[in-house]
Amino acid sequence: GQQLNQSPQSMFIQEGEDVSMNCTSSSIFNTWLWYKQDPGEGPVLLIALYKAGELTSNGRLTAQFGITRKDSFLNISASIPSDVGIYFCAGQGGDTDKLIFGTGTRLQVFP
Amino acid sequence: DADVTQTPRNRITKTGKRIMLECSQTKGHDRMYWYRQDPGLGLQLIYYSFDVKDINKGEISDGYSVSRQAQAKFSLSLESAIPNQTALYFCATSAGTGSQFFGPGTRLTVL
Repeated sequence: GQQLNQSPQSMFIQEGEDVSMNCTSSSIFNTWLWYKQDPGEGPVLLIALYKAGELTSNGRLTAQFGITRKDSFLNISASIPSDVGIYFCAGQGGDTDKLIFGTGTRLQVFP
Repeated sequence: DADVTQTPRNRITKTGKRIMLECSQTKGHDRMYWYRQDPGLGLQLIYYSFDVKDINKGEISDGYSVSRQAQAKFSLSLESAIPNQTALYFCATSAGTGSQFFGPGTRLTVL
């Protein structure tokens, strides 16, 4: 099935560092979503973006809906151990609400 | 209490057996979805339903069927399980605003 290009695939960082990850698509999306998944659990919605150029924050997390509507970025500032997990982007386009998911970024935070 | 629940959480079965995975939600959402997740990959849509009388195939519906018994319940069946259906299965709900909310998942192993 169709998937978004998400990078990087994995990151190993030290506690306190900032993190950036992004997703790109060949298609235009109307909505971008960012999820976090912990081992053995379902994805949890972090941030939803509904308009091109939109910049939205949720605590230490900030995400942006790219102007071209084909990309999105997620930044995590001052990482902490509980940020460990897999982060997925998801895009939604057209007149359906079917989501297309990225392949995930695995984040490891070392103390 | 969780808004989206899935049963069972884990299941081991044999090739050729019929399996049903169940999903219930208390969010009051009309839209429900079934996804499959394979190791190292994002989520792929199996089936989705916009209301009780609406069923739609997703990207990877072959080998699966669904039933929307009520607004709050959406079940996924594998009529004759095969080993390559070993995966994590997630149910999700949406109010149609774009954001989808996921259950905790069912880990299915087909021997």
